[in-house]
Amino acid sequence: SAVISQKPSRDICQRGTSLTIQCQVDSQVTMMFWYRQQPGQSLTLIATANQGSEATYESGFVIDKFPISRPNLTFSTLTVSNMSPEDSSIYLCSVRFRDRPNYGYTFGSGTRLTVV
Amino acid sequence: SQELEQSPQSLIVQEGKNLTINCTSSKTLYGLYWYKQKYGEGLIFLMMLQKGGEEKSHEKITAKLDEKKQQSSLHITASQPSHAGIYLCGADVPPNYGGSQGNLIFGKGTKLSVKP
Repeated sequence: SAVISQKPSRDICQRGTSLTIQCQVDSQVTMMFWYRQQPGQSLTLIATANQGSEATYESGFVIDKFPISRPNLTFSTLTVSNMSPEDSSIYLCSVRFRDRPNYGYTFGSGTRLTVV
Repeated sequence: SQELEQSPQSLIVQEGKNLTINCTSSKTLYGLYWYKQKYGEGLIFLMMLQKGGEEKSHEKITAKLDEKKQQSSLHITASQPSHAGIYLCGADVPPNYGGSQGNLIFGKGTKLSVKP
């Protein structure tokens, strides 16, 4: 089965600090997606991470706040910078395996972030 | 922009009862995905529907996409406590959306509780 390993699974961070979330995929994928799920809300796309180019950010999200790295086709990181309590959310990475259509979009297990 | 509306927002059923969750799109669906999420965790892929009138089943869960491809339903037969969680429908970003392709738009979710 398709595997995405995401870590950390949860963290409690101080206001003003930064947290980097890692996502490792068990096979090469062109695009990786980063989502945010605020408490009681659905998922909102933050950005699309492409290997070899800058990430594409959705409206309302900026690179200075959510820098993304994509050093190769199996790995990506999302950093939540200068955190405030409003950043407390679940952050999820996602990929679509084109050669595994029955898997749909596969998601990591999520990072539950609490900012105090 | 496309929006997905799920109903009901929450549902409490007695173990053994059947239930249905609906997902209605404001525009034609090009791909409809159902996911289950346990509290604070990642998304588990359930089923993907693409063709009008398509129906898929897995164990006690059946999902349908209507002929007009604007509404989907998820039906659980003889519910069990293990079915409890948040059910999310997601849709492929339609062509000419203007945003990032290859990701999903999500409904707000239906929280299911199953009483033993």
